[in-house]
Amino acid sequence: KQEVTQIPAALSVPEGENLVLNCSFTDSAIYNLQWFRQDPGKGLTSLLLIQSSQREQTSGRLNASLDKSSGRSTLYIAASQPGDSATYLCAANNNAGNMLTFGGGTRLMVKP
Amino acid sequence: NAGVTQTPKFQVLKTGQSMTLQCAQDMNHNSMYWYRQDPGMGLRLIYYSASEGTTDKGEVPNGYNVSRLNKREFSLRLESAAPSQTSVYFCASTRGTGGFVYGYTFGSGTRLTVV
Repeated sequence: KQEVTQIPAALSVPEGENLVLNCSFTDSAIYNLQWFRQDPGKGLTSLLLIQSSQREQTSGRLNASLDKSSGRSTLYIAASQPGDSATYLCAANNNAGNMLTFGGGTRLMVKP
Repeated sequence: NAGVTQTPKFQVLKTGQSMTLQCAQDMNHNSMYWYRQDPGMGLRLIYYSASEGTTDKGEVPNGYNVSRLNKREFSLRLESAAPSQTSVYFCASTRGTGGFVYGYTFGSGTRLTVV
């Protein structure tokens, strides 16, 4: 059974810092890995999707990498802003049923 | 684009009452899913429908039933609500299988309280 872990569970940084969020998974036979953002009381917004054949994806100040062999993905946020404050979730997709297994999330606070 | 639409957004039920959570997507996606999100437990899959006409159990199906009404709509029913079903429910969809796996789109959620 796939297990996904995110470390740290919470992170507080001053505005302008570059930061890395970590995601690890136990079963490397994934189809893809997706990063989401969730604001308090809201739904999930997709940030980046990395296919198993890819090493990284970029969108604006966000860069996600994938290393299947080590069972790790990282989300890099450059020049963080207070508007980046949210919970970030990673999810691994393992099988033909397209079922996602989610990590517990990292709650990010960017202080002005 | 509406994406994935869930109704209602909020609901309070008494123990033993029944209700149906509605979900509709307008992206012509084949696969649809119901998740629940609880503090400390993360998001867990309740049921999914890989394609129109099929449904399968996920990780936590007990106490729920689903109906894939057509390609657009996937409903979740609580026949006899229990306090343990207090949660935030998310519907999601994806284009589906066929060798290349796509990302998910989520609805904004239904916040359910059972008293």
